[in-house]
Amino acid sequence: AQKITQTQPGMFVQEKEAVTLDCTYDTSDPSYGLFWYKQPSSGEMIFLIYQGSYDQQNATEGRYSLNFQKARKSANLVISASQLGDSAMYFCAMTNNFGNEKLTFGTGTRLTIIP
Amino acid sequence: GAVVSQHPSWVICKSGTSVKIECRSLDFQATTMFWYRQFPKQSLMLMATSNEGSKATYEQGVEKDKFLINHASLTLSTLTVTSAHPEDSSFYICSARDPARGVQPQHFGDGTRLSIL
Repeated sequence: AQKITQTQPGMFVQEKEAVTLDCTYDTSDPSYGLFWYKQPSSGEMIFLIYQGSYDQQNATEGRYSLNFQKARKSANLVISASQLGDSAMYFCAMTNNFGNEKLTFGTGTRLTIIP
Repeated sequence: GAVVSQHPSWVICKSGTSVKIECRSLDFQATTMFWYRQFPKQSLMLMATSNEGSKATYEQGVEKDKFLINHASLTLSTLTVTSAHPEDSSFYICSARDPARGVQPQHFGDGTRLSIL
């Protein structure tokens, strides 16, 4: 069974600062994928970034980067130069078999950017 | 690309009504779609995996007779909440992945907010 743990229910960050959202995972599968999604108050799920279990380098997508530490089973999301529009819920999720299977979500972190 | 459309966005109806929610993949064929449920301030919980041309696979604790899933074509899956009651009020959201694009994330519909009076 897979499990995702997000230990930060809420975070407040000053605009333009960097922020790290924590995510740890547990799985017995050697092949898996890790994802981060953003959910604004309107409800839609917006894909941010993906990391495969065999990827050697940390994934980056614009202001988002994923700090993948396989031995520690952590996949923290780093948002650089935060913006007011970054205020939302952030969910860490994983699948086995590189995204072919169902997603298991963490409990989420509510990020609030302070002007 | 890889757009998923969900309809309707909002439903308000009386207790005992059956409600159908549609999930469409607009620019790809999806042999598998997923249905999630999200209560306020909680995470997404998978309800079932919808398989084109075969029966859906339900997660433990999800009543298959209550939540009917039909995946009759490669671009459409429907979730019908039968005889809905106030405790069925929730946010329902579907997702799908384009298998032709290799390693790609699942893309989500915009969700359906269901309120049963």
